[in-house]
Amino acid sequence: DQQVKQNSPSLSVQEGRISILNCDYTNSMFDYFLWYKKYPAEGPTFLISISSIKDKNEDGRFTVFLNKSAKHLSLHIVPSQPGDSAVYFCAASAGNTGKLIFGQGTTLQVKP
Amino acid sequence: NAGVTQTPKFQVLKTGQSMTLQCAQDMNHNSMYWYRQDPGMGLRLIYYSASEGTTDKGEVPNGYNVSRLNKREFSLRLESAAPSQTSVYFCASTWGGILNSALHFGNGTRLTVT
Repeated sequence: DQQVKQNSPSLSVQEGRISILNCDYTNSMFDYFLWYKKYPAEGPTFLISISSIKDKNEDGRFTVFLNKSAKHLSLHIVPSQPGDSAVYFCAASAGNTGKLIFGQGTTLQVKP
Repeated sequence: NAGVTQTPKFQVLKTGQSMTLQCAQDMNHNSMYWYRQDPGMGLRLIYYSASEGTTDKGEVPNGYNVSRLNKREFSLRLESAAPSQTSVYFCASTWGGILNSALHFGNGTRLTVT
């Protein structure tokens, strides 16, 4: 039973345009959400997070939106750059633990 | 500053063999974790250690054991490897809880069981 789902396995966008990666969750106890980026042969690296008390968090080109009623979050990358090409995982946590539940990942390709 | 170091990077085992995956962090983090990544499944938590001296099961603990040797080191042992344990294994650490700092991951151990 997948509690965190990323329904798009892949996404391709043009350099300079917006990338929107989506994530849905089912567990209403989740109260902290994170996005990780992963390059081949490397471990995931933290990108941005959001607490359930907020609906938006911004860090440079990256913005995460949380819609609690829909149990949906999204990551916006503006403008997209070729170096952003990677696998993006969303993850969720119930309570202040490191026990993250990850989605399946979305492979983003940014074309020059 | 090495961060989280995992050894070995690659390993091939025959069914029934045993091995230990090593993980060490130099960030003085309290909590450490073992995840496995399989195609189409994302990362799944195997075991974690919230602090030195404690360990707990995650989502998929069957077939594995762990040891928190000290604050720096957290090892994962496969007593009798099975083909279903073919995966990429990631160790991670954090200072204390996810609100304090996000997980820092190592670069993984790619394990193949034949």
